[in-house]
Amino acid sequence: QVQLVQSGVEVKKPGASVNVSCKASGYTFTNHYMHWVRQAPGQGPEWMGVIQPIGGAAYYAERFQGRVTLTRDTSTSTFYMHLSSLRSDDTAVYFCARNPYGSGSYFDYWGQGTLVTDSS
Amino acid sequence: EILLTQSPGTLSLSPGERATLSCRASQRVRSTFLAWYQQRPGQTPRLLIFGVSNRATGIPDRFSGSGSGADFTLTISRLEPEDFAVYYCQQYGDSPYTFGQGTKLEI
Repeated sequence: QVQLVQSGVEVKKPGASVNVSCKASGYTFTNHYMHWVRQAPGQGPEWMGVIQPIGGAAYYAERFQGRVTLTRDTSTSTFYMHLSSLRSDDTAVYFCARNPYGSGSYFDYWGQGTLVTDSS
Repeated sequence: EILLTQSPGTLSLSPGERATLSCRASQRVRSTFLAWYQQRPGQTPRLLIFGVSNRATGIPDRFSGSGSGADFTLTISRLEPEDFAVYYCQQYGDSPYTFGQGTKLEI
């Protein structure tokens, strides 16, 4: 079955960077784009960007341009989200979310989420 | 950026009743690129509906979606206890893909 397993809780100081991983299994890795979505406490989800598994091209929401980098490792079927210059309002649960094959950018499977929180 | 406004913010109903949730976009959503998700407390969002009215795999037929242009509706025909959760709409016609702020369905 499809599984997206994310890395654990991250506690960071303002100004630091964070890396979150998402290991995919149970499906053909190269068939599905992967998105990253975050959800701040009590808020609706917010789309951050998407990466193509073949070639690794990534596209970002304008508000995250320059701060977020999406990558993938095809040898381990793992996706990564790097967010730099963290601020207190970056405190949120970060999800990887799979795009169905050949479909528009909605999300059929989600990782369990990774809480990134402010240490201050 | 397309802003999605969901109403009501909170909907209080009882099991067996019908729920009607609204999602209004700040501009026309391209084609039928509108999805709905359910999120139970402490869980990840679960895809219910894509393409305005298509149920995702395993979603019971008491869930239905409708609408066009900038006005969309999620209807739950007869509420079951497990349906009490937060529901989000999402447009994926134009980047950035945006979500509504959610409707909490409570008993």
